[in-house]
Amino acid sequence: DIQMTQSPSSLSASVGDRVTITCRASQGIANYLAWYQQKPGKVPKLLIYAASILQSGVPSRFSGSGSGTDFTLTISSLQPEDVATYYCQKYNSAPGTFGQGTKVEIK
Amino acid sequence: EVQLVQSGAEVKKPGESLKISCKGSGYSFTDYWIGWVRQMPGKGLEWMGIIYPGDSDTRYSPSFQGQVTISADKSISTAYVQWSSLKASDTAMYYCARHRIGGVIGDPFDIWGQGTMVTVSS
Repeated sequence: DIQMTQSPSSLSASVGDRVTITCRASQGIANYLAWYQQKPGKVPKLLIYAASILQSGVPSRFSGSGSGTDFTLTISSLQPEDVATYYCQKYNSAPGTFGQGTKVEIK
Repeated sequence: EVQLVQSGAEVKKPGESLKISCKGSGYSFTDYWIGWVRQMPGKGLEWMGIIYPGDSDTRYSPSFQGQVTISADKSISTAYVQWSSLKASDTAMYYCARHRIGGVIGDPFDIWGQGTMVTVSS
């Protein structure tokens, strides 16, 4: 099965900083990549699908890029409400494996 | 409003059986794949499997194949995951979630249930 590896596992940044999270697939998955945000104690929320398409209602400071095996999630200007764990997921075929998560905190 | 409503928290003993549910409303239940996702305490998301309620086509993660059974009753718009013999390591939050586009197996989850906490302890 394809493995999904995120980096870093955690990060701490200041409000207004640009934050980048990477996700690497062990095999090519074209653009079948989604990003989710899970705030503490809450249900995961779909942010981005098809590697770069913003889900309706998601702030434009979130963006995604990549194709094949390497993907990034960028928060252009970190806000306090962005404190959460972010997960990538490949969905080209079953199983729809998630990355291990990246915890984002405010410095 | 499209929503998935899951059954309530469960406390069970090792060796007991359990079936938890996820009821869909506000959309055509038979037309969208529904999946189950495990989150152990303090850990990440794990994809367990998906089912297409229209014909009960089911796919499992190798990690969960044989450990759980995913099913659906389209007459009452409800999906299930069940265990025949629980272990302490099954203690986790379990989420159901719906694919974003109807009929598409390769798709992300856009609608999530509220989660069902399962605690297995002697």
